[in-house]
Amino acid sequence: AQKITQTQPGMFVQEKEAVTLDCTYDTSDPSYGLFWYKQPSSGEMIFLIYQGSYDQQNATEGRYSLNFQKARKSANLVISASQLGDSAMYFCAMRDVSNDYKLSFGAGTTVTVRA
Amino acid sequence: NAGVTQTPKFRILKIGQSMTLQCTQDMNHNYMYWYRQDPGMGLKLIYYSVGAGITDKGEVPNGYNVSRSTTEDFPLRLELAAPSQTSVYFCASSYGGGGPYNEQFFGPGTRLTVL
Repeated sequence: AQKITQTQPGMFVQEKEAVTLDCTYDTSDPSYGLFWYKQPSSGEMIFLIYQGSYDQQNATEGRYSLNFQKARKSANLVISASQLGDSAMYFCAMRDVSNDYKLSFGAGTTVTVRA
Repeated sequence: NAGVTQTPKFRILKIGQSMTLQCTQDMNHNYMYWYRQDPGMGLKLIYYSVGAGITDKGEVPNGYNVSRSTTEDFPLRLELAAPSQTSVYFCASSYGGGGPYNEQFFGPGTRLTVL
């Protein structure tokens, strides 16, 4: 069964604007973690941000923030003040107890920032 | 620290050939992983290891073998290469431990083409 769903295959955003990348997940475990990774065209995987299921506040890391809605099982990534260097593929991933704490990845969303 | 290193970066194999993808980490991480990423897709787990001498299958293990004789090294063996194994292969490592937080550090990837 698909554990992570990213429904937006590609998005365009104007430089300096904000963009929201959707991610929904499926788990029955109370303890889990959600991760976002960035993959630029060069191919490396870059860790961006983490949200734990018990965290009371939404995670933030610089221009990245996570809109965590536990009841809806969604963990959307918000990139504020987009820059040309933000053009990349973005992956949502989850780690939960039932999956032996392995990471399950979504299919990814490609973001293209326009000048 | 070099982090996670992978060799080679690129390789072209003929159908039926075998090869070993090398992965080394210098962070003293217990957990190591092998993923494959097909074009335009997310990462799928091939094998993982929770410590030296301990390995287990991931989502797509067929056609691959692994071993973990040391904490640092986690080679991935392809036997009888097939065109379906054309992909980008990522090795990753993490500290592991209990709880859902488990940031994985990725190597730069190996781009493999089987013709």
